[in-house]
Amino acid sequence: QVQLRESGPGLVKPSGTVSLTCVVSGDSVSSNKWWSWVRQPPGKEPEWIGEIFHSGRTNYNPSLKSRVALSMDKSSNQFSLNLTSVTAADTAVYYCVRGPVPFDSWGQGTLVTVSS
Amino acid sequence: SSELTQPPSVSVSPGQTATITCSAAALPKQYAYWYQQKPGQAPILVMSKDTERPSGISERFSGSASGTTVTLTISGAQAEDEAVYYCQSAASISGSVIFGAGTRLTIL
Repeated sequence: QVQLRESGPGLVKPSGTVSLTCVVSGDSVSSNKWWSWVRQPPGKEPEWIGEIFHSGRTNYNPSLKSRVALSMDKSSNQFSLNLTSVTAADTAVYYCVRGPVPFDSWGQGTLVTVSS
Repeated sequence: SSELTQPPSVSVSPGQTATITCSAAALPKQYAYWYQQKPGQAPILVMSKDTERPSGISERFSGSASGTTVTLTISGAQAEDEAVYYCQSAASISGSVIFGAGTRLTIL
C-alpha cells in the first residue's frame, strides 16, 4: 500500500518560498506514475499545482507556472515543490499525490500559512 | 469560477438516493472523476472515468454521463456518506487538471 508524507515549514513570510518534500513508501518514484502536488485553501476546492515524471518531465498549472518548480530525488524516493513569491493567497493545505489522473493516493496534507 | 459546475449542496434523508451533478462543455470529450472529502481528511477517489468504481468503494456509489453532465449517485445514502464531493476533469484549453467547487452532501 502506497503512502505519501509531506514535510516542510508550516509558516512562510510573504514574498518567500514554500518548499515542501514528499516521501513515498510502498511505490517507487521511478515507476510508471506521475507525482503531483495539489493544494486546498481553507474552505475551498483543491487546486492542482503540477506533476513530475521520473524522466524529469514536468507539467504545471498555467496559473502557477511562473512560480513553481518540481524536482525529484530518486535515491531517496521523494519529490519536492518550490513555490516562490508567495502571498496570503497561497495559504493552503498542500497535498502530495500519486497520479496521473485519477489521483488514487494522497498524503495527509500539510498546512502552509503565509504570514509575517 | 470553476469550469466544472456543481450544486453547492444536496440534502437527503437516510436511505434515500442522492444525486450530485457536474456540468461542463468539455465533458463529452473528457472523463470526469469524483472525490469524497470529510473534514480534516484528504480526498478519496470514489468514481473514475465517469462510471468506474474503484476497488473498496461501496456499491452504493455509481456514476453516469450524458452530454455535458456527469452524475454521481449514492443509493441508500447513509450518515457516513456525509461529506463534500468534488468532480475533477481537464481544462478545455490547457488540458490542466481542474476541480469543481464541490457539493456538500448532508444526510438529514
